Amino acid sequence: EAGVAQSPRYKIIEKRQSVAFWCNPISGHATLYWYQQILGQGPKLLIQFQNNGVVDDSQLPKDRFSAERLKGVDSTLKIQPAKLEDSAVYLCASSLGRTGGGGEQFFGPGTRLTVL
Amino acid sequence: AQSVAQPEDQVNVAEGNPLTVKCTYSVSGNPYLFWYVQYPNRGLQFLLKYITGDNLVKGSYGFEAEFNKSQTSFHLKKPSALVSDSALYFCASPAGTGANNLFFGTGTRLTVIP
Repeated sequence: EAGVAQSPRYKIIEKRQSVAFWCNPISGHATLYWYQQILGQGPKLLIQFQNNGVVDDSQLPKDRFSAERLKGVDSTLKIQPAKLEDSAVYLCASSLGRTGGGGEQFFGPGTRLTVL
Repeated sequence: AQSVAQPEDQVNVAEGNPLTVKCTYSVSGNPYLFWYVQYPNRGLQFLLKYITGDNLVKGSYGFEAEFNKSQTSFHLKKPSALVSDSALYFCASPAGTGANNLFFGTGTRLTVIP
């Protein structure tokens, strides 16, 4: 079974530029998550999709971050414009159903973003 | 609020010795608890989970965790540490009752010394 795919693996941009990350979840996984992991911290949820609908985006900085999951499969996360504090690893994860129901999440390798 | 805490940023253990990585939780009702491991430049990998049943949960790579309701703890253990176990370990729980997303602890860096 193929895992969660993410690209690019690394990205370096200057502040105020825009950037986009791509995620392909495990086939058949209805739930997709984007997490932000700042160095030295645990991952923090940015947005969660159930199929192609947003379930939770309460911690997404909507003035600069956006995400979509067209057709309920692949997802893109965009930052525009980027700030220095956006430097982090962006992790995509997917799960069959509700983690609250005990199901585990499967994570991609992440995209390491450096904003200069 | 549902949350977990990892009181130790760093744990060092000699190869072959038993290891423990600590986690405490603050979860109402019956907690669901997870352990994930993160190797350098790789995503998080699921190790094990506690849902219900036996307090001792066995997981991948020889790891196990003990759920202790009276101490609200879910410590990760392994009888004999390997150098290859050196990594960043995260305890996690669903962010709310029935929630899908996970709340992660701050992580504990385990270093196994040859």
